[in-house]
Amino acid sequence: EAGVAQSPRYKIIEKRQSVAFWCNPISGHATLYWYQQILGQGPKLLIQFQNNGVVDDSQLPKDRFSAERLKGVDSTLKIQPAKLEDSAVYLCASSLVDTDTQYFGPGTRLTVL
Amino acid sequence: AQSVTQLGSHVSVSEGALVLLRCNYSSSVPPYLFWYVQYPNQGLQLLLKYTSAATLVKGINGFEAEFKKSETSFHLTKPSAHMSDAAEYFCAVSVLIKAAGNKLTFGGGTRVLVKP
Repeated sequence: EAGVAQSPRYKIIEKRQSVAFWCNPISGHATLYWYQQILGQGPKLLIQFQNNGVVDDSQLPKDRFSAERLKGVDSTLKIQPAKLEDSAVYLCASSLVDTDTQYFGPGTRLTVL
Repeated sequence: AQSVTQLGSHVSVSEGALVLLRCNYSSSVPPYLFWYVQYPNQGLQLLLKYTSAATLVKGINGFEAEFKKSETSFHLTKPSAHMSDAAEYFCAVSVLIKAAGNKLTFGGGTRVLVKP
């Protein structure tokens, strides 16, 4: 079975620019997660979707970050405008409903100059 | 609220020696506990998980972990390190949200270096 797909793998932008990341979860996985992993730290949950609805976005900086999952399948995470401190790896994960195991994609490494 | 503390951000072991990575958790409800491994430039891969069944959990690549409620610990061990075990390891705690997946809280990670 295909895993979680993410693109792009790497992105370099200047501060105040905007950027978008794409995630395609494992087929049939209703739950989708976006994490931010700053260098030297563990991943931190930004937002969790159940189908196309938001379950938890309490740690999403909503003044600059947005995410959508319009058709309940793939998802886009956007940052506008980017700050230096947004440099991190952005991980997408998916899971079946009512299960405890999340499957992670390879991540997108963002560098903000 | 849940939290995880991993003792030691870096661990260096010799090939063939015991690998021991420490993890302590805090949870207001019976936790689910996980160990993930991350190789360079890759996502996280599940090593093993505890979900209230047997307290000694065996995972992939020869790793195992023991859940100790009295010590709020979930330490990861492997009897004999291999060069391919060099990676970063994350302990995580979660609460299963009915009909909405689970919410993982990760520790800060422990980077393992294996010396020949």
